[in-house]
Amino acid sequence: DQQVKQNSPSLSVQEGRISILNCDYTNSMFDYFLWYKKYPAEGPTFLISISSIKDKNEDGRFTVFLNKSAKHLSLHIVPSQPGDSAVYFCAAPTSGTYKYIFGTGTRLKVLA
Amino acid sequence: SAVISQKPSRDICQRGTSLTIQCQVDSQVTMMFWYRQQPGQSLTLIATANQGSEATYESGFVIDKFPISRPNLTFSTLTVSNMSPEDSSIYLCSVVENEKLFFGSGTQLSVL
Repeated sequence: DQQVKQNSPSLSVQEGRISILNCDYTNSMFDYFLWYKKYPAEGPTFLISISSIKDKNEDGRFTVFLNKSAKHLSLHIVPSQPGDSAVYFCAAPTSGTYKYIFGTGTRLKVLA
Repeated sequence: SAVISQKPSRDICQRGTSLTIQCQVDSQVTMMFWYRQQPGQSLTLIATANQGSEATYESGFVIDKFPISRPNLTFSTLTVSNMSPEDSSIYLCSVVENEKLFFGSGTQLSVL
């Protein structure tokens, strides 16, 4: 059972436009969500997170939106830059544990 | 955030052999985590390494195949034993800090 799903394996966006990456989850007990960015030959790096008590969290060009009723979150990158080209993972810790469940990732390509 | 050094960064191994991956953290941490990312797949938790006790393995992972050591609060090793081509993956160590996972740079393992 894939509790965290990223249904778009890839996304291409023009430089300067908005990138929207989506993530769905099935476990209603999740109360904290994170986004990670991964470049080739590097480990994932933390990007932004959101608690379930919020519906939006913003950090510079990155904004995460959470829709609890739809069990859906999205990451918006505005404006997109070529350096944003990477694989993006959403993740959530299983409640009360340090076991993080990851989505399968979305490969973002920002075209110059 | 914690700085995590992992080595080797990559290796090509023959089937039937074993490889030990080392992970060093620049601060003392109670728990260290080992993840695997198979090609095109999500990150999957292999086990949690606690200092002074046996590692806790997730479903589908066993100690005979992935023995883990945790001799102190800053260091851990993961061994991939009796390797087969199906073990070709990226192996990542990580720690939790302020509810966020931080990762090492990963070990890209290819088994021929």
